[in-house]
Amino acid sequence: GESVGLHLPTLSVQEGDNSIINCAYSNSASDYFIWYKQESGKGPQFIIDIRSNMDKRQGQRVTVLLNKTVKHLSLQIAATQPGDSAVYFCAENKETSGSRLTFGEGTQLTVNP
Amino acid sequence: NAGVTQTPKFRVLKTGQSMTLLCAQDMNHEYMYWYRQDPGMGLRLIHYSVGEGTTAKGEVPDGYNVSRLKKQNFLLGLESAAPSQTSVYFCASSYWGNEQFFGPGTRLTVL
Repeated sequence: GESVGLHLPTLSVQEGDNSIINCAYSNSASDYFIWYKQESGKGPQFIIDIRSNMDKRQGQRVTVLLNKTVKHLSLQIAATQPGDSAVYFCAENKETSGSRLTFGEGTQLTVNP
Repeated sequence: NAGVTQTPKFRVLKTGQSMTLLCAQDMNHEYMYWYRQDPGMGLRLIHYSVGEGTTAKGEVPDGYNVSRLKKQNFLLGLESAAPSQTSVYFCASSYWGNEQFFGPGTRLTVL
């Protein structure tokens, strides 16, 4: 069946280091892959998305990489800051599904000062 | 703009009671969604709507009903609450699918 899952439930990094959060997916029919950030006690917030026909997309301090050969998605955060501490979810979207997102289980990122 | 708001923020119910959660958005979005989030887990889609007057089932629709009588509002109803419905409920809206705007959540406990 369809699933979007994460390799690691927790990730701890030092402030200023780069962070890499990984996600595996099994549904090759997805049109988009998306990353969301959820701070404690708040709703998720959109970070960046990538279309399935792309390999890489960059935003402000973030880069998403898509490897369709091994069905792997990653989010890279440059110069990680304490404000980046949150749970990060990957999600997938099939445009024919009525804009429904399927979320993975999340990775807790902790940034140590 | 207030974005997406949810009412109430917290609620405690007894098994068998009913309640309605209200979601409102002021961004003129067509799409609206209800999710539930259980501890240590991702979000699971309960129901969604692609426009005023329309609703559709998501991944976990059993025990819930929804209505979208006005474009800006999306209501989630629990007819007979069960302890398994203890969760945090998030509403979201979007112009289209990828970038969804989430509300602050409603923490529901069913005893």
